[in-house]
Amino acid sequence: LAKTTQPISMDSYEGQEVNITCSHNNIATNDYITWYQQFPSQGPRFIIQGYKTKVTNEVASLFIPADRKSSTLSLPRVSLSDTAVYYCLPTKSWGKLQFGAGTQVVVTP
Amino acid sequence: DTGVSQNPRHKITKRGQNVTFRCDPISEHNRLYWYRQTLGQGPEFLTYFQNEAQLEKSRLLSDRFSAERPKGSFSTLEIQRTEQGDSAMYLCASHTGYNEQFFGPGTRLTVL
Repeated sequence: LAKTTQPISMDSYEGQEVNITCSHNNIATNDYITWYQQFPSQGPRFIIQGYKTKVTNEVASLFIPADRKSSTLSLPRVSLSDTAVYYCLPTKSWGKLQFGAGTQVVVTP
Repeated sequence: DTGVSQNPRHKITKRGQNVTFRCDPISEHNRLYWYRQTLGQGPEFLTYFQNEAQLEKSRLLSDRFSAERPKGSFSTLEIQRTEQGDSAMYLCASHTGYNEQFFGPGTRLTVL
């Protein structure tokens, strides 16, 4: 699976928008781009998945340019409860997940 | 609550002892994965089952590790002769084979 690169950490204040960009230069044609969120002492939780262009759900938006070599997770108006580690993964609809180190997002008042 | 349960949530053991963890997946999910996570790292794949068949094992899974999924329902992960390097969070995930995997809360193992 393609290797991903994302920032180690990001800080934000409550109410701001947080954008996390992930690079995946060698993504395979049949890979989706999936983001998971993980709180301390919990398992990861699926946030959003896309193949190209833009996907939005009640939690986040995912922007994927035409070349699919990167993706940006956008968290609108973050709150303290959005403090977590966010992982970007190229995934197939089946099969094991390969996580990187993720991005630690810290939201402060 | 994702519907995936793991027991125990915490386990402290002495080096050389055997430990066993259990995962109860979402009942209609035929795929079950085990991952291991150490501090500051993302989860690493260990093994997965489709129904009762163990279809893939990572090179991380030494001979001291064994996993089973009898009858394609719950799964157990056993570690024999534990070492301090086995200390980690062990995560189980349940999957239909499409889209997202649903993770349990994990079992945190500490080997003294």
